[in-house]
Amino acid sequence: GIQVEQSPPDLILQEGANSTLRCNFSDSVNNLQWFHQNPWGQLINLFYIPSGTKQNGRLSATTVATERYSLLYISSSQTTDSGVYFCAVERSSGQNFVFGPGTRLSVLP
Amino acid sequence: DSGVTQTPKHLITATGQRVTLRCSPRSGDLSVYWYQQSLDQGLQFLIQYYNGEERAKGNILERFSAQQFPDLHSELNLSSLELGDSALYFCASSVIETGELFFGEGSRLTVL
Repeated sequence: GIQVEQSPPDLILQEGANSTLRCNFSDSVNNLQWFHQNPWGQLINLFYIPSGTKQNGRLSATTVATERYSLLYISSSQTTDSGVYFCAVERSSGQNFVFGPGTRLSVLP
Repeated sequence: DSGVTQTPKHLITATGQRVTLRCSPRSGDLSVYWYQQSLDQGLQFLIQYYNGEERAKGNILERFSAQQFPDLHSELNLSSLELGDSALYFCASSVIETGELFFGEGSRLTVL
């Protein structure tokens, strides 16, 4: 099956810093999503981004499908950004999403 | 609020018991997925239903079973529970047009 890797596994930032999270996948994909799991365990949709670039406030994401990677940018980080960020890919339409292991982000005040 | 509803939010039970987790997908979504997240682990795909039919099966134990009913809600049944079954169980539904996943808040199961 498809393999999904995320880096770095852990990241500690001071409030206000910027960061880039990476997701690599081993095969072509039909869909890709980024999720944020907050400290209460909720999985929050950040981006649905099978290709191209999207921005939502301080967050943006870019997927280069031909090179099999996606990047999530967090600018001016806040303590509420803390949690685990997951990348998930769908190999073909209608199949299940495979999740990466996540990047655990801690933003310190 | 994602629109996916899961009950119960928390459940504490004993080894050997059986529990049922319930999920209502977003209005209009036909697919339901179940995922398991053990402590400090990633999300493991269990099973997917589409409009009442099983579509894909992942690492789901034989002690676990699921179904999707005509009103599209789904239930995940966990039986002969073991300590290692303690986990967050997530349900998700997907948008027909794009396949985008939306997750419920999860059911946290503790087996004592």
